[in-house]
Amino acid sequence: QSALTQPASVSGSPGQSITISCTGTSSDVGGYNYVSWYQQHPDKAPKLIIYAVTNRPSGVSNRFSGSKSGNTASLTISGLQAEDEADYYCNSFTTSTTYVFGTGTKVTVL
Amino acid sequence: QVQLVHSGAEVKNPGASVKVSCKASGYTFSSYHMHWVRQAPGQGLEWMGIIKSTGDIAIYAPKFRGRLTMTRDTSTSTVYMELSSLRSEDTALYYCAREFPDAFYFDYWGQGTLVTVSS
Repeated sequence: QSALTQPASVSGSPGQSITISCTGTSSDVGGYNYVSWYQQHPDKAPKLIIYAVTNRPSGVSNRFSGSKSGNTASLTISGLQAEDEADYYCNSFTTSTTYVFGTGTKVTVL
Repeated sequence: QVQLVHSGAEVKNPGASVKVSCKASGYTFSSYHMHWVRQAPGQGLEWMGIIKSTGDIAIYAPKFRGRLTMTRDTSTSTVYMELSSLRSEDTALYYCAREFPDAFYFDYWGQGTLVTVSS
């Protein structure tokens, strides 16, 4: 099971919007609406920010939004803030009844 | 509040086994699945496997099959992850993460247990 493909890094200025892509196959991202996204600050455990492609858990800023088209899911952060600087990982359920993470994206706020 | 508390750091020799625990509190333990995810130093997240809420079904990522065992003890609300035939590449932070059945995402994570494999 290969990791989902994410860009290694994305950067933006405060207030801007950025989008992180997560590309898989029809056996994972494209086959199910079970893509989730996690934010990880240095030396911290990951935190759920998006589930089932588009849904935000209670308490997560509405500046985070998710979408999917075909085999590619995307996370958009609007109104970028300094606190958004972190690593971001996508995850998908797969046809093998396993799960797979993305390669991870480092977001830098310029 | 939901808490997942890991056992302490471990140092193991190559070829040995390690058993890491994750004790849950603040919710109905038997109602949730538990996953294990690891992260090597400076690297990304890697899904290892899931033990279902009933405790009778565990599904492992292909690369770990044959040397990974997950179990759970309802009496102590604890899940265990045992990895055998350790090699240096298994040096990582090992996290447990909770899933409500058929939710397909991990809503709470433990703080992780660092396992170091070194001779």
